[in-house]
Amino acid sequence: DAGVTQSPTHLIKTRGQHVTLRCSPISGHKSVSWYQQVLGQGPQFIFQYYEKEERGRGNFPDRFSARQFPNYSSELNVNALLLGDSALYLCASTVPGGPRDEQYFGPGTRLTVT
Amino acid sequence: GDSVTQMEGPVTLSEEAFLTINCTYTATGYPSLFWYVQYPGEGLQLLLKATKADDKGSNKGFEATYRKETTSFHLEKGSVQVSDSAVYFCALSFSGGYQKVTFGIGTKLQVIP
Repeated sequence: DAGVTQSPTHLIKTRGQHVTLRCSPISGHKSVSWYQQVLGQGPQFIFQYYEKEERGRGNFPDRFSARQFPNYSSELNVNALLLGDSALYLCASTVPGGPRDEQYFGPGTRLTVT
Repeated sequence: GDSVTQMEGPVTLSEEAFLTINCTYTATGYPSLFWYVQYPGEGLQLLLKATKADDKGSNKGFEATYRKETTSFHLEKGSVQVSDSAVYFCALSFSGGYQKVTFGIGTKLQVIP
């Protein structure tokens, strides 16, 4: 079975631009979470979506938004990019009612803002 | 708020040495505890987990025991291999509501032949 997939793998943007990152969860998983991992740090929680609704949000500005589609895939959007948004963006999917709190992570999208 | 503190690296060990990476947590209630591993250029992989006090998680020779009294979840391995070189993250989360995982800063392990 395919794991969590993310696209693109790498992305280079300039300050002020907008970016969209995509995630496809494991088949049967209805919940998707997004994390930001700055170099040398642990991942920080951004959002969780379940059944197309936002269920949780971390301490990130409104420039960050996301949505989940009927097929449970998800997009993370970041507007007005800043140099500090350069990071590895990780997507994770979960089976509600499955192994307690276990999330399965994708390989990530490496975003570089110049 | 919830937090995870783990020893900063890098940790450099010779092959077949004993490994300990310390992890302590602060949380209201009783979270599930995890160790994730990140190999160079890759995403996170769940290494092991424990969901209640005194549980021992184990996988691939790695072990960690959930110690409520010391709020700790130290990672150990009796004999490390070069292939264990990676960054190790201690993490916690709560069930119910939304499933936010709180990670530590990560500890880089380098095993030399």
